[in-house]
Amino acid sequence: GDSVTQMEGPVTLSEEAFLTINCTYTATGYPSLFWYVQYPGEGLQLLLKATKADDKGSNKGFEATYRKETTSFHLEKGSVQVSDSAVYFCALSDKFKAAGNKLTFGGGTRVLVKP
Amino acid sequence: GAGVSQSPSNKVTEKGKDVELRCDPISGHTALYWYRQSLGQGLEFLIYFQGNSAPDKSGLPSDRFSAERTGGSVSTLTIQRTQQEDSAVYLCASSLEGTGFYEQYFGPGTRLTVT
Repeated sequence: GDSVTQMEGPVTLSEEAFLTINCTYTATGYPSLFWYVQYPGEGLQLLLKATKADDKGSNKGFEATYRKETTSFHLEKGSVQVSDSAVYFCALSDKFKAAGNKLTFGGGTRVLVKP
Repeated sequence: GAGVSQSPSNKVTEKGKDVELRCDPISGHTALYWYRQSLGQGLEFLIYFQGNSAPDKSGLPSDRFSAERTGGSVSTLTIQRTQQEDSAVYLCASSLEGTGFYEQYFGPGTRLTVT
């Protein structure tokens, strides 16, 4: 079945550092790819998405490019802030399979940004 | 507008007892999903409802788990004869559904602890 693998955390950074979280996927169909974020004490929120190969999703200074050749969707941000401290989840869905837009998640990466 | 709400926010129960978890989706959202977030298994899909169609139960881990959605709105997830491995945060999400991508909006979750 479909699966998502992302780098384990925690990732500890200083403010203004560059952040990369690696994500690779396995899927038999044509998935859409997502990054979700869970801030402390809050629910999951969609951060960005890409629905086809070579699409770039971006939001709040974060970017990720759908790379079909490497089955990857790495998340990057050029200059992190303390407020970016959260758990980040890479996910995919394939709406042409059962369960509509059911999301398959990676294990999550905790990011801690220190001032 | 109101987001997805879940109740209770926390539930502690004894092993062997039954529990009911409630989800109120965003008004007008036709699709509803249940996920489980646990330390051992990460975030995993449980069940999906879309309109009046039969639910997709492919993610339910055992026959002790069941869910219903009344009137195309509120959903209840029931766990019978709870076990310690059922301890997790149970997340509900809702979305519009149709062609194209529709974002899933997540509730704050119910933290279930089985003692």
